[in-house]
Amino acid sequence: NAGVTQTPKFRILKIGQSMTLQCTQDMNHNYMYWYRQDPGMGLKLIYYSVGAGITDKGEVPNGYNVSRSTTEDFPLRLELAAPSQTSVYFCASSYPGRLGNTIYFGEGSWLTVV
Amino acid sequence: AQTVTQSQPEMSVQEAETVTLSCTYDTSESDYYLFWYKQPPSRQMILVIRQEAYKQQNATENRFSVNFQKAAKSFSLKISDSQLGDAAMYFCAYRSPLTQGGSEKLVFGKGMKLTVNP
Repeated sequence: NAGVTQTPKFRILKIGQSMTLQCTQDMNHNYMYWYRQDPGMGLKLIYYSVGAGITDKGEVPNGYNVSRSTTEDFPLRLELAAPSQTSVYFCASSYPGRLGNTIYFGEGSWLTVV
Repeated sequence: AQTVTQSQPEMSVQEAETVTLSCTYDTSESDYYLFWYKQPPSRQMILVIRQEAYKQQNATENRFSVNFQKAAKSFSLKISDSQLGDAAMYFCAYRSPLTQGGSEKLVFGKGMKLTVNP
């Protein structure tokens, strides 16, 4: 049972570089999310998607872009990395509905911008 | 917008004893979901327990139970017979029900660090 898989797990970026965090899920979930967690804080929503071809901004979208071309994949793109984007990034997915509403998280991606 | 508050940044408990973690939230919605997530040092987010607001009965999962007070907007987690493996960050989270065009987004509290002393 793979669940939600994120890559890479660790990455160091230089200021101004760009990169893509990959996320894939094998549970056929419609909904996918990207969260960031800063030290000592809870998770904040960056972007989310309710299905292939549909994405929307969360609480902290600036500096990021996403796409959702398939149900399985939801990559997060960082353009022009800044030190403020140093954080742990979590991808998550869920199946909508009253019963199937548990959100499953990936193991996190540690990103440092120097 | 909904908010979740965990006012205690840290707590400690002796192994085998009981500890209660507090959480309050603010919402104008009548139907919603509440969750407690555990985050060990590995940083993985692990669902501990969930509560549907329309259910009056408090949720229970083995040694974990909640005290859900809807009128007071309070959602505390009780851990009985604490074990060393319970040491982690604990996050309270709120989620709105599915609405037209909605997404079931989670709103998290800032978390609380639980230490379990042997």
